[in-house]
Amino acid sequence: NAGVTQTPKFQVLKTGQSMTLQCAQDMNHNSMYWYRQDPGMGLRLIYYSASEGTTDKGEVPNGYNVSRLNKREFSLRLESAAPSQTSVYFCASSVWRDTGELFFGEGSRLTVL
Amino acid sequence: GENVEQHPSTLSVQEGDSAVIKCTYSDSASNYFPWYKQELGKRPQLIIDIRSNVGEKKDQRIAVTLNKTAKHFSLHITETQPEDSAVYFCAASKNTDKLIFGTGTRLQVFP
Repeated sequence: NAGVTQTPKFQVLKTGQSMTLQCAQDMNHNSMYWYRQDPGMGLRLIYYSASEGTTDKGEVPNGYNVSRLNKREFSLRLESAAPSQTSVYFCASSVWRDTGELFFGEGSRLTVL
Repeated sequence: GENVEQHPSTLSVQEGDSAVIKCTYSDSASNYFPWYKQELGKRPQLIIDIRSNVGEKKDQRIAVTLNKTAKHFSLHITETQPEDSAVYFCAASKNTDKLIFGTGTRLQVFP
């Protein structure tokens, strides 16, 4: 079991460019999440998907879009990257309402110049 | 929505001493309170959690206490070791839905 896999691990973008962060889990979890981590700010929820076919906004959704492609995959898209989106992005998954534990991916470090 | 405040932001202790990290939450409907540990350059990992029907939970050297009336919960680490050095995050949610995290506490344990 690979758990939660994110790609890419590192990315440098110029302001205005677009990109998609990919996330896949092989634990048959129902719920998937995207968080961003900034120094002194902790982990902030961008979007989440409670189950296949649904997505909802989190604390900081502006500038992002998501797609729950199937039960395994949940992608995060930046349509027009801004320097304020420089961050470390974590994808996570959990079993919906059975246990609360989030299983995180290794993170993706994004720099927007 | 839920808001979680965490203190202190940094904590330094001598090996063998105890460490306490405190969090407060705003939504009285929250009923699930986990703690995550993140070592440098690694992903966050769950170390202990507590639900609102329990006041205290222990797992070896770590314990979490919950005061629903005051809406605060704390992480206690006893007999700290250098490998306890990490960033610790508290979080809160209702029915494990949409966890909201605190801003983190950087714990340094000096030998």
